[in-house]
Amino acid sequence: NAGVTQTPKFQVLKTGQSMTLQCAQDMNHNSMYWYRQDPGMGLRLIYYSASEGTTDKGEVPNGYNVSRLNKREFSLRLESAAPSQTSVYFCASSGERGRNQPQHFGDGTRLSIL
Amino acid sequence: AQSVAQPEDQVNVAEGNPLTVKCTYSVSGNPYLFWYVQYPNRGLQFLLKYITGDNLVKGSYGFEAEFNKSQTSFHLKKPSALVSDSALYFCAVRDEITGGGNKLTFGTGTQLKVEL
Repeated sequence: NAGVTQTPKFQVLKTGQSMTLQCAQDMNHNSMYWYRQDPGMGLRLIYYSASEGTTDKGEVPNGYNVSRLNKREFSLRLESAAPSQTSVYFCASSGERGRNQPQHFGDGTRLSIL
Repeated sequence: AQSVAQPEDQVNVAEGNPLTVKCTYSVSGNPYLFWYVQYPNRGLQFLLKYITGDNLVKGSYGFEAEFNKSQTSFHLKKPSALVSDSALYFCAVRDEITGGGNKLTFGTGTQLKVEL
């Protein structure tokens, strides 16, 4: 039982390049989330998907797009990477038994934009 | 808007001593609070949550948290710290969202260092 799997684990991009971060969960969770973690700022929500077929903006959505491909997969796309997007990106999911279920996190993608 | 504050960037404690990691919250309505731990190069792991009921919540790895409504605090505690408890700890508050799931707002984190 892998939980939440993120790929790639590391990536270096040049300014202006695009890329997609992949996330998949095998816990049959309805809700999925993308966060970025920066030193001294905790985790900030980029986008979330409360259920399959829906996506919504979080606190810091500018420069990103998401796709909820199916119930298992939720991808994050950077269309034109900028140095300010250098960060560690985490995907998470939570179950459907009420709204107080804890979120389960992947191990992150460490992204550097040069 | 919901928010949490973790006033200490770092907490140092000797192994075997009790530890406390502080968190205060600001919410409209009932608070739904969580603690997570992050080890180096790993994602966050759930420790415990407060929904309603007992003010002392027990969680994983011997951790517990004390909810205090009058002080709007939700401090994480452990009676006897271990070196292996050294990690980054996050407090979070839930925002309810339409359609299910829960949107969390995290504090800035507290680095716990347990020394021999």
